[in-house]
Amino acid sequence: GQNIDQPTEMTATEGAIVQINCTYQTSGFNGLFWYQQHAGEAPTFLSYNVLDGLEEKGRFSSFLSRSKGYSYLLLKELQMKDSASYLCAALDSNYQLIWGAGTKLIIKP
Amino acid sequence: GAVVSQHPSWVICKSGTSVKIECRSLDFQATTMFWYRQFPKQSLMLMATSNEGSKATYEQGVEKDKFLINHASLTLSTLTVTSAHPEDSSFYICSARARTSGDFYEQYFGPGTRLTVT
Repeated sequence: GQNIDQPTEMTATEGAIVQINCTYQTSGFNGLFWYQQHAGEAPTFLSYNVLDGLEEKGRFSSFLSRSKGYSYLLLKELQMKDSASYLCAALDSNYQLIWGAGTKLIIKP
Repeated sequence: GAVVSQHPSWVICKSGTSVKIECRSLDFQATTMFWYRQFPKQSLMLMATSNEGSKATYEQGVEKDKFLINHASLTLSTLTVTSAHPEDSSFYICSARARTSGDFYEQYFGPGTRLTVT
């Protein structure tokens, strides 16, 4: 079956760095997305990886290892507004998104 | 960037009535639209996938006679919750997929519709 695993909740301090991990098992693979979702709002796109390696975009970076079925989202210089849920989603062979349950990130001052 | 709108953003209705939610892609043509439901503190649950001009494909466990989806054009899809009950109260989110340059497909999400059935 298809499965996405990510931690349920993480806590970090303002100004620090946090890494949110995601492992996936899908029927075929066409890329890995990370979305941010604030409470009561729809998800917003953060990143997309299809090749191995690190993609950096400002304070956010995303890494992919296809051989390990593993990705992580790295958030630097954390701000209070980064408190949100972070959703990992893999694109399968039919180009359907398989969603993880999301990681709730709590930022403390 | 690609924008998807949803209307209404929130709705309260009485049990037994029907509610229609519209999803529009404003500045691109959506080859496929997706309807999701999200209960509090849970992840997105895909309800159905629709391609313009064809019948929607429903996920297992989703009643197609209760959740009617009409994808009338490349920019509009509607979800009608028929004979709504309190357990249908949820956050309904649509997303639209447009083929971008390159080899990946990204979904653009609408802002969501919060449905409360009393």
